[in-house]
Amino acid sequence: KQEVTQIPAALSVPEGENLVLNCSFTDSAIYNLQWFRQDPGKGLTSLLLIQSSQREQTSGRLNASLDKSSGRSTLYIAASQPGDSATYLCAVAGGATNKLIFGTGTLLAVQP
Amino acid sequence: DGGITQSPKYLFRKEGQNVTLSCEQNLNHDAMYWYRQDPGQGLRLIYYSQIVNDFQKGDIAEGYSVSREKKESFPLTVTSAQKNPTAFYLCASSIGAGGGFYTFGSGTRLTVV
Repeated sequence: KQEVTQIPAALSVPEGENLVLNCSFTDSAIYNLQWFRQDPGKGLTSLLLIQSSQREQTSGRLNASLDKSSGRSTLYIAASQPGDSATYLCAVAGGATNKLIFGTGTLLAVQP
Repeated sequence: DGGITQSPKYLFRKEGQNVTLSCEQNLNHDAMYWYRQDPGQGLRLIYYSQIVNDFQKGDIAEGYSVSREKKESFPLTVTSAQKNPTAFYLCASSIGAGGGFYTFGSGTRLTVV
């Protein structure tokens, strides 16, 4: 059974720092991996999607990498801003049904 | 604008009562999903549907039921058999089989009173 783990559970950084969030999964036979952002009491916003054949995706200050063989993904946030404060969730899809299995998230606080 | 609408935003249920959460999308997505989110836990899949008139159980389907009579709608009923229904419920959709971005609704917070 696929399990997704995110480390750290919480992170606090000063504004302007570059930071890395980690995601690991136990079954490397994934279809894709997605990173989401969730603000308190809100739904999820999709940030990046990496297909299993890809190694990374970039969107603005965000860069996500995927290493299927080691079961790991990282989300790199450059020049962090207070508006980046949120919970970041990683999720993997295990097959063509595109069902997502979620990690428990990393709560990020960027201090001004 | 295309998106997913969940209603109501807040819902209170009495013991032994069934309640239905609404989820409507105008994205022309084939697949729709219901997740439950509890504090300190990730999202857990309740039910999903990849096509009209068809749906499958997720990891925690007991005490829940769904229907998919229209492509745009995927309502979730929380029945009295669900012993711990207090949670944040999220509906999502995607293009369907073959992968693709998920679009999530803004959620319904259900509380048992």
